[in-house]
Amino acid sequence: GAGVSQSPSNKVTEKGKDVELRCDPISGHTALYWYRQRLGQGLEFLIYFQGNSAPDKSGLPSDRFSAERTGESVSTLTIQRTQQEDSAVYLCASSKQGALNTEAFFGQGTRLTVV
Amino acid sequence: GDSVTQMEGPVTLSEEAFLTINCTYTATGYPSLFWYVQYPGEGLQLLLKATKADDKGSNKGFEATYRKETTSFHLEKGSVQVSDSAVYFCALISSWGGYNKLIFGAGTRLAVHP
Repeated sequence: GAGVSQSPSNKVTEKGKDVELRCDPISGHTALYWYRQRLGQGLEFLIYFQGNSAPDKSGLPSDRFSAERTGESVSTLTIQRTQQEDSAVYLCASSKQGALNTEAFFGQGTRLTVV
Repeated sequence: GDSVTQMEGPVTLSEEAFLTINCTYTATGYPSLFWYVQYPGEGLQLLLKATKADDKGSNKGFEATYRKETTSFHLEKGSVQVSDSAVYFCALISSWGGYNKLIFGAGTRLAVHP
């Protein structure tokens, strides 16, 4: 596609349920990021995939959070046993590999509400 | 680790006022520096960038100069408009541990009134 696509755009879930968020990066972009943005706050880094290298998971807030990426394509972020503090917009971004000056392109995000 | 620090908002200005949003960074090596903008109801998009010391990035009347000696990348605009109301994020990419990771500041909300 022309841009980074995220689905669903909105998700309301009950506390304790698992959710799966999807990100389709721009074709050819080997780097993929997940961020969390709580209401009125900045971007919290979650995880970074770079080609076939081991991902940088240093930002995942707990073991309830996990993410996968198949090759250089789709990524899924899974949150198990959701809590109310997980409510936020989850943003995905992709960029080309290797260049330090390369622009990251963002999706519109998935707004997660845990009730 | 690498980090970005921005001035806290919100910043409230009248139309045609001068804007400065401060950004400083801590990084190992020589990062590339960016300003991203998030307009209400829209996704983040790149506003401008600079890749080496003394470079000036510019776009839509905004400017920022990469100052290695002060580790800063302050965003400026000479005359803001209501349409500039948005959240502005300073960011860097540095090579660390084999990764080129994009790191953001906390964001600064700008509100411009007529």
